[in-house]
Amino acid sequence: QAVLTQPSSLSASPGASASLTCTLRSGFNVGTYRIYWYQQKPGSPPQYLLRYKSDSDNHQGSGVPSRFSGSKDASANAGILLISGLQSEDEADYYCMIWHSSTSLFGGGTKLTVL
Amino acid sequence: QVQLVQSGAEVKKPGASVKVSCKASGYTFSDHYMHWVRQAPGQGPEWMGWVNPNSGGTYYAQNFQDRVTMTRDTSINTAYMELSKLGSADTAIYYCAREGVAAAEDTFDMWGLGTLVIVSS
Repeated sequence: QAVLTQPSSLSASPGASASLTCTLRSGFNVGTYRIYWYQQKPGSPPQYLLRYKSDSDNHQGSGVPSRFSGSKDASANAGILLISGLQSEDEADYYCMIWHSSTSLFGGGTKLTVL
Repeated sequence: QVQLVQSGAEVKKPGASVKVSCKASGYTFSDHYMHWVRQAPGQGPEWMGWVNPNSGGTYYAQNFQDRVTMTRDTSINTAYMELSKLGSADTAIYYCAREGVAAAEDTFDMWGLGTLVIVSS
């Protein structure tokens, strides 16, 4: 079982909000990790969006709009990427990542469709 | 501007090795660790390890420890990743990714465009 699990796809309408989840496998407590989020569009490399551990420990990537934000759902042991005011340009694959024991681990990604 | 320019696509036979380069420009090469991440078709990224351009020190993911070598040449601001004993499962796009510093530590804040490596007999 993968350490980070993401829904394979999600659809939302322009102007709406989308909540992308990244669930950590049992034994990996979301509260102890910084969750990193990357966006990837077809034919391009991933781009860093943001990092979130808590409201006092978070970082926004350079030039990333504030409508991209991070949070956590401790009860679900999950990190969340919230995208508000969806735009057509937000259609992309989104990957979460953590560092565990000096090793970077990525989730399988969520394909976000804006329609 | 900050750029990471990678070498061109490669086609290799099973059992061979491949060496991918990543030339950095627009920033001080020695100030940022360089990571290598690969992505197989239709899959998520897979981290391979890093090289410290300042010291040459390296750290590899366990999955690649016995067949990956990461090096750098500071005279030409270039990092290299060599992967040996290639198999079909190594067919992927290989990216170099710069690690951020200060508040952006542990983030991959700049990526190369990728190098496609195809392993086929």
